Amino acid sequence: GAGVSQSPSNKVTEKGKDVELRCDPISGHTALYWYRQRLGQGLEFLIYFQGNSAPDKSGLPSDRFSAERTGESVSTLTIQRTQQEDSAVYLCASSLFELAGGYNEQFFGPGTRLTVL
Amino acid sequence: AQSVAQPEDQVNVAEGNPLTVKCTYSVSGNPYLFWYVQYPNRGLQFLLKYITGDNLVKGSYGFEAEFNKSQTSFHLKKPSALVSDSALYFCAVRTGGFKTIFGAGTRLFVKA
Repeated sequence: GAGVSQSPSNKVTEKGKDVELRCDPISGHTALYWYRQRLGQGLEFLIYFQGNSAPDKSGLPSDRFSAERTGESVSTLTIQRTQQEDSAVYLCASSLFELAGGYNEQFFGPGTRLTVL
Repeated sequence: AQSVAQPEDQVNVAEGNPLTVKCTYSVSGNPYLFWYVQYPNRGLQFLLKYITGDNLVKGSYGFEAEFNKSQTSFHLKKPSALVSDSALYFCAVRTGGFKTIFGAGTRLFVKA
């Protein structure tokens, strides 16, 4: 498969539990993004990685959210002590290397639908 | 602050008729503008982008968009709609930095 993959596709958890979402970018794509899409709403930027540069974490909504990426490979988004308002589809995207303000299109994964009961 | 507005939550059009999905933006600096489409139960797909040059850009599936700097708009168009075009369309903008700002989306319904 040449596309962006995400796992799990669906995750149901209880309030207060931690969850970990995984993203496998397209091989050779140095840039990786996480977004949140609440029901009926647009995409909300969460975090951006590029290579070994410091990530742009400006979109993370609280300190319960964190993400890691090793080099140009897999990324994991962790949500600690989940709340009901965290219920959403979490989308990952990757793109080719770009400078700040770059113009490369992003390739999206199918998303992980998170439901917090 | 950068922002993108898609003023219509939903657009309805008959098959074979032209369609327009509107997008306006507010940025400082020169924008890079994108359209993405989200089909049911599928991920977002890139349609087209404006970087520089010709104001009319052509993309996938017969779609095109016109960049209008004076009106700060980037409307998506197609001369003849298909039922299969029914989907959720997102306009997005980048200028400086790495953050991409997405509009709230416009749902397009094409009726046979």
